[in-house]
Amino acid sequence: QSAVTQPASVSGSPGQSITISCSGTSSDVGSYNLVSWYQHHPGKAPQLIIYEVNKRPSGASNRFSGSKSGNTASLTISGLQAEDEADYYCSSYAGFWVFGGGTKLTVL
Amino acid sequence: QMQVQQWGAGLLKPSETLSLTCVVYGGPFSGYYWSWVRQPPGKGLEWIGELNHSGSTNYNPSLKSRVTISAEMSKNQFSLKLSSVTAADTAVYYCATHSYDASLRHYDAWGQGTLVTVSS
Repeated sequence: QSAVTQPASVSGSPGQSITISCSGTSSDVGSYNLVSWYQHHPGKAPQLIIYEVNKRPSGASNRFSGSKSGNTASLTISGLQAEDEADYYCSSYAGFWVFGGGTKLTVL
Repeated sequence: QMQVQQWGAGLLKPSETLSLTCVVYGGPFSGYYWSWVRQPPGKGLEWIGELNHSGSTNYNPSLKSRVTISAEMSKNQFSLKLSSVTAADTAVYYCATHSYDASLRHYDAWGQGTLVTVSS
C-alpha cells in the first residue's frame, strides 16, 4: 500500500552521521510540509522524532534533523550512538497519512 | 509529562468487531490529534486514522468503510472500532497522541500497544 519509499537498511559507525531518504510524489511529500519521522525499537512503542519536515517535539534529541527537497524528505542522525539502532519510518500527509516501509538502522 | 494507556480485547474471531480504548494523561493542551496505528507481524507501520480536538476525523481510505474513531473528550479517552475483522487485521495496535500547548511546544506519546489476533 505504501506510496512512500525508504531504503530497507542503512548502517553507520558510532560518531558518524547517516541520512535516510523518504521518496514520495507530488501528491504527498511534494505537496505538503507535513512529513514526520518516527523511531521504533522493536517491542516498544514508536516515538515521534521529527514533525512538519524539520521540527523536533519536546524531548527529541537535537542529533535528529529533517529536511525536504521536492518530493524527497530526509532524516539525518548525527553523532551516531548504539541506542540509535532501530527502525525509522517516515510519514507523509496525502489527504491522509501514509507511512514509508521503514528503514532498519544498524550501528556497526 | 504526557502518558497514554490503552486496553481492549486481544483475541477475535473472523467477522467480529475490534474495539480498543485509550486514555491520555497530562496537559492541558491547546490542540491535539488522537490517532491509531497498527503493525502486522513482520511488517511496517500502517496509519488507521485520527480524531482532532475539533472532533473531526480522518481515516485511511483502505480501511474507511470499517473504521470508527470516537472520543469522550471530557474523560480524555478515545476509541477505535474496526468491524468485520479478518486474519489480515492481526497486528499490534497502537494509540498515539500528538499535542501542542499554548506556547506551541509539541508533544508526542504512545500507548503500550495491544496485540490483536484474529483466528477462528
